[in-house]
Formats: sequence, C-alpha cells, structure tokens
Amino acid sequence: KAGVTQTPRYLIKTRGQQVTLSCSPISGHRSVSWYQQTPGQGLQFLFEYFSETQRNKGNFPGRFSGRQFSNSRSEMNVSTLELGDSALYLCASSLKMGGAYNEQFFGPGTRLTVL
Amino acid sequence: GQNIDQPTEMTATEGAIVQINCTYQTSGFNGLFWYQQHAGEAPTFLSYNVLDGLEEKGRFSSFLSRSKGYSYLLLKELQMKDSASYLCAVRTGSSNTGKLIFGQGTTLQVKP
Repeated sequence: KAGVTQTPRYLIKTRGQQVTLSCSPISGHRSVSWYQQTPGQGLQFLFEYFSETQRNKGNFPGRFSGRQFSNSRSEMNVSTLELGDSALYLCASSLKMGGAYNEQFFGPGTRLTVL
Repeated sequence: GQNIDQPTEMTATEGAIVQINCTYQTSGFNGLFWYQQHAGEAPTFLSYNVLDGLEEKGRFSSFLSRSKGYSYLLLKELQMKDSASYLCAVRTGSSNTGKLIFGQGTTLQVKP
C-alpha cells in the first residue's frame, strides 16, 4: 500500500509570493491534517480536513488556507509569503477523524524556503 | 493553554535502556502518541496510549498516567539506528478530531 505522498518535495519562493502544496493520503484514508515544523516551534497543527470540510484549524493567520477534494487529496495554500514561513510542511492522513487507535501517517513533507 | 514538555536532548549507550519522559497539560485528552523522526525524514508512528498503563511493542514500550499528565517511552537494547528525535503528541478536543499537539521533541544520541 502506497504511503502518503506530498509534492513538491522542495520549493524556493520569495517574499510576497504565494505557494500551493499538495498531499495525497493513503488509499482509503479520508482525514488529512497539515502541520508546520520549524526548529524553533516544533510541529504545529495547521488544519484538519474530512469529507471535503475543514473540521479544525490551528492558530495561524488567514494567509494559510487549504481544501480537500472528493478523492480525499488535499492542498494547502500560503499567500503573501513571509521569511518566517520557511519550514517543513507535513501532511498526515488517517482512516477517520479522531477515535481510538486512529493513528496518523505522515508524508515526507515539503521543504519550503522563503528568500 | 496547551503545554507538552519533553527533555531536549538525551545520550545513551548502544545496548542500554533509555526512558524519555513527557508531561502534558492540555484542554481535553483523547490519547497520547509517540513518534520517531530521523533527521530529514517524516515522523513515523511508534505507540499509542489512551488508557493508563503500559503498552509494549518489541523493544519499545510506552506508559501513561492520565491523572498525573505523564507518559514515558522506554527503548530497550538500544541500537545506533535509534538515534533520532522522539516526539510526544496529545490528541486533544473532542473524540471527533484528529488534531495532535506536539512536544518539542527529544533528540536521542546513541553512542557505541
């Protein structure tokens, strides 16, 4: 069974630009969560999608947005990029939302560098 | 507020046993996860506790005390490949959310 895939793996952008990252969950998984990982802040929750609806959102500005498609694939978008947005963006999928023993499987991440 | 604390770094010797502690204060609790993350790679799932007690999985064991807001990950028979960051994460909120709050991670260095 293929794991979670994320594209692109590496991205370099300049301040003020926007970026779209893509995540394909494990086949059959319907919940997708996004996390930002930086050396200073660690892993921080961005949002969670299930059945094409955002179910939960972390404490990030409105420049960060996302969506989920009917095939459970998800995209996140960051507009007006800032230097502080440089991070590893991780996508995680799970069979369902919440519930016991419902582990999240992480993709390899997209390394975004903002110059 | 949400707070998860882990030691920043630990060092241990190959073949030994190491215990990585995690304390948490969160609004809501629906399970605690441990993940392993090698440098430059994605986190991989190690263990999950939702009830008090010990869960054993080969060389790895994880313990939870909900009343104390405390967990630990025990690694036995350490191998060089166990050198990695170990992340403690708590699922908070209602049972219908997958949101995880992560600690800063513990970097474990295994020496020969």
